[in-house]
Amino acid sequence: AQRVTQPEKLLSVFKGAPVELKCNYSYSGSPELFWYVQYSRQRLQLLLRHISRESIKGFTADLNKGETSFHLKKPFAQEEDSAMYYCALSDNQAGTALIFGKGTTLSVSS
Amino acid sequence: DVKVTQSSRYLVKRTGEKVFLECVQDMDHENMFWYRQDPGLGLRLIYFSYDVKMKEKGDIPEGYSVSREKKERFSLILESASTNQTSMYLCASSIPSFHNEQFFGPGTRLTVL
Repeated sequence: AQRVTQPEKLLSVFKGAPVELKCNYSYSGSPELFWYVQYSRQRLQLLLRHISRESIKGFTADLNKGETSFHLKKPFAQEEDSAMYYCALSDNQAGTALIFGKGTTLSVSS
Repeated sequence: DVKVTQSSRYLVKRTGEKVFLECVQDMDHENMFWYRQDPGLGLRLIYFSYDVKMKEKGDIPEGYSVSREKKERFSLILESASTNQTSMYLCASSIPSFHNEQFFGPGTRLTVL
């Protein structure tokens, strides 16, 4: 069965420290993976997607098919990065519905 | 600017009431989705629709139904609200592509007393 696992509910780091938000997936096929972010009192929005291979707000994520992972990384955390982060997988066998992980709250303090 | 709007930000209802949550998008998207968001459980798909009058059950459809009479509008209906349906409800829309992002509404915080 398709599944997305985010093992950490909460990740607390200091400003300037590196950040790695973990995401592992289970999928029989070629996955399309996304990271979504929800800042306080804002709507959920796309942060980045695997296929674009882009860096957004200093964040990057690399798909590792061998380890079935799509970890989100940033070398130097900023206080404005504090938010809820969701990893998601596109299930192309069921149209374009997304399967979300349970989310990780990132807290960056000074 | 893309826009997904939801009829209410906060809603309080009583057990047994029929509840309608409305979602409207102005991007001419074919796909629309309803999720519920609960702490520690993430987002769970309730229903989605890939065309007018078409609907598919998601992971947790029990106790819910949906209606899509027009392309821009997708309604979530709680036939008889129960306390365990107290949650944040998120609507989203997208074009029908494997790679495309979903655009989310601001959410409706529903409390069932």
